[in-house]
Amino acid sequence: AQSVTQLDSQVPVFEEAPVELRCNYSSSVSVYLFWYVQYPNQGLQLLLKYLSGSTLVKGINGFEAEFNKSQTSFHLRKPSVHISDTAEYFCAVSDGRGSTLGRLYFGRGTQLTVWP
Amino acid sequence: DVKVTQSSRYLVKRTGEKVFLECVQDMDHENMFWYRQDPGLGLRLIYFSYDVKMKEKGDIPEGYSVSREKKERFSLILESASTNQTSMYLCASSLAHPVLNTEAFFGQGTRLTVV
Repeated sequence: AQSVTQLDSQVPVFEEAPVELRCNYSSSVSVYLFWYVQYPNQGLQLLLKYLSGSTLVKGINGFEAEFNKSQTSFHLRKPSVHISDTAEYFCAVSDGRGSTLGRLYFGRGTQLTVWP
Repeated sequence: DVKVTQSSRYLVKRTGEKVFLECVQDMDHENMFWYRQDPGLGLRLIYFSYDVKMKEKGDIPEGYSVSREKKERFSLILESASTNQTSMYLCASSLAHPVLNTEAFFGQGTRLTVV
């Protein structure tokens, strides 16, 4: 089974500051990687995903993530955050290539709080 | 747009009651999942299904069962609700394809309180 570690449970930051949310995964096979966002009392929404190709992936709302195979990391970044980015962010990894099931393994989440 | 609809946003049930959580998706997805979300624990998989009438246990199936009689509907059943099942429950679906299955679509969640 895959495992995902989100290194920070809470990240407070001021508005317009840059932010990085860290994620490491453990897998010996090729995987797909994801970041989801959850606003209060909502379901999860896909921010971005890495399938293959360029290691820098751009997503919605100005977020991007970089896949680093040697460090088994997939950190999420935004150069300038807004108060509306306050939410919980989940890193996830899939079953692996060739699987049709698409089961996701989630990290424990990082609560990003943006202060004015 | 893909839509995954969970029948209730909030539920309050008594200990010992049988509880049904319903999930419907409208994109003809083969795969459906039930997750439980608790603070500090992230999302944990309860059960999943890759076809009608097929089901597989996830990581925390104890105290739960599921039913998938139709492709679009996946129900989670708490046979005898207990207070430790108070949680947010999230349903998701995805396409059965080695590449396109990568995006799972989530419902809005059902916040269940067992008293």
